[in-house]
Amino acid sequence: GDSVTQMEGPVTLSEEAFLTINCTYTATGYPSLFWYVQYPGEGLQLLLKATKADDKGSNKGFEATYRKETTSFHLEKGSVQVSDSAVYFCALSRGTYKYIFGTGTRLKVLA
Amino acid sequence: NAGVMQNPRHLVRRRGQEARLRCSPMKGHSHVYWYRQLPEEGLKFMVYLQKENIIDESGMPKERFSAEFPKEGPSILRIQQVVRGDSAAYFCASSPLGGDQETQYFGPGTRLLVL
Repeated sequence: GDSVTQMEGPVTLSEEAFLTINCTYTATGYPSLFWYVQYPGEGLQLLLKATKADDKGSNKGFEATYRKETTSFHLEKGSVQVSDSAVYFCALSRGTYKYIFGTGTRLKVLA
Repeated sequence: NAGVMQNPRHLVRRRGQEARLRCSPMKGHSHVYWYRQLPEEGLKFMVYLQKENIIDESGMPKERFSAEFPKEGPSILRIQQVVRGDSAAYFCASSPLGGDQETQYFGPGTRLLVL
């Protein structure tokens, strides 16, 4: 069945460091791919999405490219801030309401 | 515009008790989804409801779990006779009628601990 695998956390970085959170998926066909972020005490918020191969989703300085050949959707940001500290979830969907989520990666950014 | 609200945020129950988790969708949203996140796992789809209808409950355990979304009031996820394995975070999400169901708005979750 479909699945999503994320790198384990926590990831601890200094402010202004480069961020990569790896996400790979297993699915047939062309699912839509998502990154959600959960700030402390809040619900999951959609960060970015990509719906077809080679699409790049971007938002708030974060980017992720849908790579069909490597079945990956890695999240990157060039310079993280303390306010980026949160839990990041990678997910896929087949165009319906059913998401398949990864386990989440906790990011901690130190000043 | 208030987001999706869930309460309680934390719930402690002893084995055999009942747990009731409430979810108020965003204003204007008529689709509600419940997800469960067990320790060390990703969120897993449980059930999809519209007002007064269960559309898809394929992710719900067959026993002890039920969900409703009445005409008035919040959606309720009910767990009867809880066991330790029910300890998890339960997330609710909503989407608008006629909107893109892939884009769901999530609540902060209810953390259930069964002693």
